[in-house]
Amino acid sequence: KAGVTQTPRYLIKTRGQQVTLSCSPISGHRSVSWYQQTPGQGLQFLFEYFSETQRNKGNFPGRFSGRQFSNSRSEMNVSTLELGDSALYLCASSLAPQGKTGELFFGEGSRLTVL
Amino acid sequence: DQQVKQNSPSLSVQEGRISILNCDYTNSMFDYFLWYKKYPAEGPTFLISISSIKDKNEDGRFTVFLNKSAKHLSLHIVPSQPGDSAVYFCAADGGATNKLIFGTGTLLAVQP
Repeated sequence: KAGVTQTPRYLIKTRGQQVTLSCSPISGHRSVSWYQQTPGQGLQFLFEYFSETQRNKGNFPGRFSGRQFSNSRSEMNVSTLELGDSALYLCASSLAPQGKTGELFFGEGSRLTVL
Repeated sequence: DQQVKQNSPSLSVQEGRISILNCDYTNSMFDYFLWYKKYPAEGPTFLISISSIKDKNEDGRFTVFLNKSAKHLSLHIVPSQPGDSAVYFCAADGGATNKLIFGTGTLLAVQP
């Protein structure tokens, strides 16, 4: 059974650009969540999608957005990149929405560097 | 507002000894707690969990203890092995948050 797949694994952008990250969940999983990991901040929740609907959102500016497709694949987009957006972006999937089952299955992440 | 706190950013332990990682939380509505382990360049993987109706859960070398009155949980690894060297995140679920809240992580280094 394939795990959570994130692409690209690494990318470098410059300030002001925008970036799109992709996540393919485990087959059958309908919930996809996105997290930002930075040193000292742990895993900061960005948003969760379930059945193509944004179910929950963290405390990030509107430059961070996402969507989910009918096949449960998800994308997140960050516009007008800032240096502070450099981070590891992790996608996690689960069968049911967060808050119901607890366990999330994570991908390996997309390492974004903003210069 | 950090609802889940791991106050030790790092911990170093000798191989064969016990590793104790601590986690505190502030929201009394949390009713399910998890530990994840993360190696560099990999995503976090689920390690062990505990429901608030229990105060201990054991899985091989890993045991999680929950003290609800103190809003504290700990992960014990006995005996510690070099392969246990990783960042450990605790997470809490429940209440009205409808999402897992993660701590900031503790980097465990097990010295051979």
